[in-house]
Amino acid sequence: DSGVTQTPKHLITATGQRVTLRCSPRSGDLSVYWYQQSLDQGLQFLIQYYNGEERAKGNILERFSAQQFPDLHSELNLSSLELGDSALYFCASSAGQPVSPLHFGNGTRLTVT
Amino acid sequence: AQKITQTQPGMFVQEKEAVTLDCTYDTSDPSYGLFWYKQPSSGEMIFLIYQGSYDQQNATEGRYSLNFQKARKSANLVISASQLGDSAMYFCAMREGLRDSGGSNYKLTFGKGTLLTVNP
Repeated sequence: DSGVTQTPKHLITATGQRVTLRCSPRSGDLSVYWYQQSLDQGLQFLIQYYNGEERAKGNILERFSAQQFPDLHSELNLSSLELGDSALYFCASSAGQPVSPLHFGNGTRLTVT
Repeated sequence: AQKITQTQPGMFVQEKEAVTLDCTYDTSDPSYGLFWYKQPSSGEMIFLIYQGSYDQQNATEGRYSLNFQKARKSANLVISASQLGDSAMYFCAMREGLRDSGGSNYKLTFGKGTLLTVNP
């Protein structure tokens, strides 16, 4: 158990809809990272928050947004969903040291129909 | 150019034998770290081993070791005494800019992965 909690495990929704994915980092970790994993693109970095502030942005679409709350949990919002957004979305957290690995949650499997 | 290249889409190994999974990387940053993760069919990402660019010795963690060749920019994962439970997808990843002052952006860039199958 990595200590990172993601909910829900599975999400099935229709095109055009909006969904929210939730992540609770490991106790004490201030950094939260969001990744998207799909068969064609592999593991793609989306966005990172550190203690409530956005720190880095990757290949995140404008239809997607995220935030980290004072209690350090994070939410990833996906709107105007398209079929191509179907993927496994991971949240990860780290202790914030250069040598610290990312600890991943079990992911949210999003299916857009 | 890809930052992390894993040239073996799939590998097969007999149980109890050793196997090497290849990883080459591309960076001009002198300070970086390399990570290996395992993703079983159940989907979770499991951290295996870390190697820093300034580490003098190759990293080892139990049956996992890293064959780090800095000049060749390769960081191959060696799994000794393979077990059936080692069957999984393996990802190599890199973190750059470890010495950036005040940096807390420690994202990882992943390769495409290698699917390892251990045969009984």
